[in-house]
Amino acid sequence: DAGITQSPRHKVTETGTPVTLRCHQTENHRYMYWYRQDPGHGLRLIHYSYGVKDTDKGEVSDGYSVSRSKTEDFLLTLESATSSQTSVYFCAISAEGTEAFFGQGTRLTVV
Amino acid sequence: AQRVTQPEKLLSVFKGAPVELKCNYSYSGSPELFWYVQYSRQRLQLLLRHISRESIKGFTADLNKGETSFHLKKPFAQEEDSAMYYCALTPGAGSYQLTFGKGTKLSVIP
Repeated sequence: DAGITQSPRHKVTETGTPVTLRCHQTENHRYMYWYRQDPGHGLRLIHYSYGVKDTDKGEVSDGYSVSRSKTEDFLLTLESATSSQTSVYFCAISAEGTEAFFGQGTRLTVV
Repeated sequence: AQRVTQPEKLLSVFKGAPVELKCNYSYSGSPELFWYVQYSRQRLQLLLRHISRESIKGFTADLNKGETSFHLKKPFAQEEDSAMYYCALTPGAGSYQLTFGKGTKLSVIP
């Protein structure tokens, strides 16, 4: 397995609280991505990064922000969690022209 | 904008029967096509990419640019093939973010 870990693996939080999910890689890959997986929607891209401090929005970026201060870490922040953000979040990494490797996912429940 | 369509949410086949998971895409450029598989409560993993032309676990997929399709096939389904399958594309030309279809759940009946 590619060296990619997500933390936490499970989290329950209350509506309106901020939440940060972490993705850590040991592969030194340039590209990192955050997706959310929902039944009936498949995986949808939230944000991605193409280098340190270089990020861009994906398809469903509203309510989310990201930061990448070093190559190995990509953080996803929900500024004020809502119930619609209850989902499974996957981080992925890739080098140029290679396949994407996925983390094991974070199951987030907003109550 | 690119789009990936997987028309079947659920596909059930008997063990030993042929399998075909459909995937159609829309994109004006020359995308790269992939199939990813997710076994129960596991991470997504790459099954096939069209440029490699490999056969993995007995699965094959042919890119048909005329029909904009990338259907996944296997001649004889096995119980361990039961999983969620996602078709995806990247735009290519230096752009690597994946756009996924909604997925097809394959259930192989013993």
